[in-house]
Amino acid sequence: QVQLVESGGGVVRPGTSLRLSCAASRFTFSNYDMHWVRQAPGEGLEWVAFVSYGGSHTYYADSVKGRFTVSRDTSKNTIYLHMNSLRPEDTALYYCAREESGMYDAIDIWGQGTMIAVSS
Amino acid sequence: DIQMTQSPSSVSASVGGRVTITCRASQGVRSYLAWYQQKPGKAPKLLIYAASSLQSGVPSRFSGSGSGTDFTLTINTLQPEDFATYYCLQTNSFPRTFGQGTKVEIK
Repeated sequence: QVQLVESGGGVVRPGTSLRLSCAASRFTFSNYDMHWVRQAPGEGLEWVAFVSYGGSHTYYADSVKGRFTVSRDTSKNTIYLHMNSLRPEDTALYYCAREESGMYDAIDIWGQGTMIAVSS
Repeated sequence: DIQMTQSPSSVSASVGGRVTITCRASQGVRSYLAWYQQKPGKAPKLLIYAASSLQSGVPSRFSGSGSGTDFTLTINTLQPEDFATYYCLQTNSFPRTFGQGTKVEIK
């Protein structure tokens, strides 16, 4: 079935950089807008970033604007989240997710998440 | 930015009972509102999109209503597997925003 698989998480020091990847399979990746959503331990869901199906439009939460960059590589059916100047408050499980325009832009498919812990 | 205020933050209910969760948007979001269920250690699952459309495969005991700024998720005849945390998400504009979540617990 349709699948999203995130990777790249780990334990990092504050101020460092990290790149997350999300590999999509079993759907026409180039037709779909994509999102990153995160969830800090024991907390609710926080939307992080959006990239349009063609990659030309991106949007970010204020909490990550200027530090995070979302991109996609259609040839690899993969989206990325480049994270710079990481802070302890960026510690969270990061989900990759697909937007379905036919469902009033609801996020309909989620990956299993990749965990990032930012700690000195 | 649109703020989504979800209430209650938690609710206790019995198997077979009914639960109603509300989400209020700080600005109108038309019908661009989705509801999700999340169980511990799992990714969220889409229940309702377009405020009131049931996602394929979701039991009909789940229903959504509302438009503009006020929305409701109702779970009728609660089943043991429905005890989870529920979130609303506005998809009308960027930044996307989630409600704070409602934990449905067993009474």
